[in-house]
Amino acid sequence: EPEVTQTPSHQVTQMGQEVILRCVPISNHLYFYWYRQILGQKVEFLVSFYNNEISEKSEIFDDQFSVERPDGSNFTLKIRSTKLEDSAMYFCASMERGASYNEQFFGPGTRLTVL
Amino acid sequence: AQTVTQSQPEMSVQEAETVTLSCTYDTSESDYYLFWYKQPPSRQMILVIRQEAYKQQNATENRFSVNFQKAAKSFSLKISDSQLGDAAMYFCAYRSANYGGSQGNLIFGKGTKLSVKP
Repeated sequence: EPEVTQTPSHQVTQMGQEVILRCVPISNHLYFYWYRQILGQKVEFLVSFYNNEISEKSEIFDDQFSVERPDGSNFTLKIRSTKLEDSAMYFCASMERGASYNEQFFGPGTRLTVL
Repeated sequence: AQTVTQSQPEMSVQEAETVTLSCTYDTSESDYYLFWYKQPPSRQMILVIRQEAYKQQNATENRFSVNFQKAAKSFSLKISDSQLGDAAMYFCAYRSANYGGSQGNLIFGKGTKLSVKP
């Protein structure tokens, strides 16, 4: 069964460094998402992506964040200059079509630790 | 803005028994969708069950069913005949049916950790 995959599973970085989190969505899906979960808190929406552009972003998704679909298969989240408060679990999700009823398929997440 | 609240951080159930996980939400919208996702340890979230707000009938998927009370803005998940494999984090989520240009991001609760005792 097709799955969303994410790499790495755990990333440790120093404050101020750039990180790129990678996701491979399910191949025929058209809508892509990033969410994050700070330990003990809610899963929060960061950004959605469709037709090679951002379709919606939350207040969390500031200028330090960017997303890209560089090659038609990968979907990346870049944090330019990490802060301690960026430490969280980051989840990628994809969805086949844009109907509200449709299921978003999630990856296993990348745990980002900023020291 | 919509919010989702799961008031039970942890729950425990005996194998083969029934457990109900609570979820309440707040919205001014009349049309939306509600979801329960399960996240086993170190695994991705998978959809357990979903409910369309305009449907009065409660959704059911095998041992999983919901009690959807639209007026009370309540969406609880009932797991019958609990199995060891049901042990996981369970997240309640809301999605607006009115995109208004967005692509329907999910709004999650904080989750309930379910333990199943043999």
